[in-house]
Order: sequence, then C-alpha cells, then structure tokens
Amino acid sequence: SQQGEEDPQALSIQEGENATMNCSYKTSINNLQWYRQNSGRGLVHLILIRSNEREKHSGRLRVTLDTSKKSSSLLITASRAADTASYFCATDWSTGGFKTIFGAGTRLFVKA
Amino acid sequence: NAGVTQTPKFRVLKTGQSMTLLCAQDMNHEYMYWYRQDPGMGLRLIHYSVGEGTTAKGEVPDGYNVSRLKKQNFLLGLESAAPSQTSVYFCASSLITLTGNTEAFFGQGTRLTVV
Repeated sequence: SQQGEEDPQALSIQEGENATMNCSYKTSINNLQWYRQNSGRGLVHLILIRSNEREKHSGRLRVTLDTSKKSSSLLITASRAADTASYFCATDWSTGGFKTIFGAGTRLFVKA
Repeated sequence: NAGVTQTPKFRVLKTGQSMTLLCAQDMNHEYMYWYRQDPGMGLRLIHYSVGEGTTAKGEVPDGYNVSRLKKQNFLLGLESAAPSQTSVYFCASSLITLTGNTEAFFGQGTRLTVV
C-alpha cells in the first residue's frame, strides 16, 4: 500500500472559493512535498515542508504538517479555473534508503 | 536547461515484445526514479537509483529491469511486455541532502500500450 493517501479523492468548487486537500502518511519522514499534475503531463513541484516545520506559505498556497497525526493539508485560497488539476502529496520514505513516494492524489475541479 | 527528458513519448507493443525507455537529466542529480501511473491512481514507484551504478526496487518492480551506467541516464526495460504494463511511465530526478529529498523534477511521460 502507498505511503501517502490524499482525501478527498475529488473536489469540485466555484472560482474564488478555497480548496483544502489532506494527506496522511504511515512512517516517519524528513519532509513532505505537494505536487500538481495537469491532465496528461508530468508533475510539477509546488511546495516542500520539513518535519520540523508546522506551516509554510507560497503565494496562494498554505501547507500545514502535523507529525503527531502523520498528516498534512494543502490549502489553495481564492481558487481559479487554472487551478484545475490533480494534486499529490509525496514523502521521502526512509525504509531501505530515501525515496520519494506519492499518494493517489486529489482531483480538483474549479468551475468558472 | 532541458531538465528531465524521456524517450519515446508514445509506444505500442505487442505482448511478449521488449523495449527500453530512456530517461536523461542534465541537473547532476543523484537520485533518479521510474514511476508508473494508471488511470485514477497516483504514481507507483517501480525502481529507483541513488547514484551511478546503483539501482533498487520500488513498490512494483516485477516485470521491469533498470540500469544506471551513467549518472545522467536511467533506463527502464521491459523484457517481455504484458497488457498489465499498459500505463503512463514517468521518470524523475532529485537531489538528496542530509535533511532528506529535495523536489523531484519530472519528465513529460511515456504512454505505453501493450496489445
């Protein structure tokens, strides 16, 4: 089974609303990353949060990390139609050497 | 900078045929990865490499082999393709630091169909 799991699996909102996606993981990590994937394309890195950080901001993105609950959330504020994409969390799974493991993703649809 | 380049972009194979997917990165990254992505699913790690001459199994390694003879290249081989290997394959690379992995850079993907 995968290290990270996002919820919800799909999210549909109106332009201007905020979108919140959650990620839970299983083992201890050094950092957690969020990526975005537009349909049919490769993933693009959005933000990285380290295990000793609790919150991080980048433009309209806000990421929180709760290592006691092994969970993270990604908040996109004032969403735009162009934010329509799939969003994935990834952790550096340390078992057997560090490697980046992805969850199943949240599909976000922002209606104009 | 080209970043991460995958070839080919599309391929159709017959069951039992073999092929090699090539991934090249020009960022001098130590770590390289091969993932597969199936409809409605995330990326599952097939194999990865922590440096030139090294490879390791990921979550779904069966039916695939890899080689990293040069730091900038990571090859994924299918010796005898099966319909279950129909998927989109992504290569990625990243740096490794004392505080864990840094961001991964992805190729544009290879859409493979096995008939």
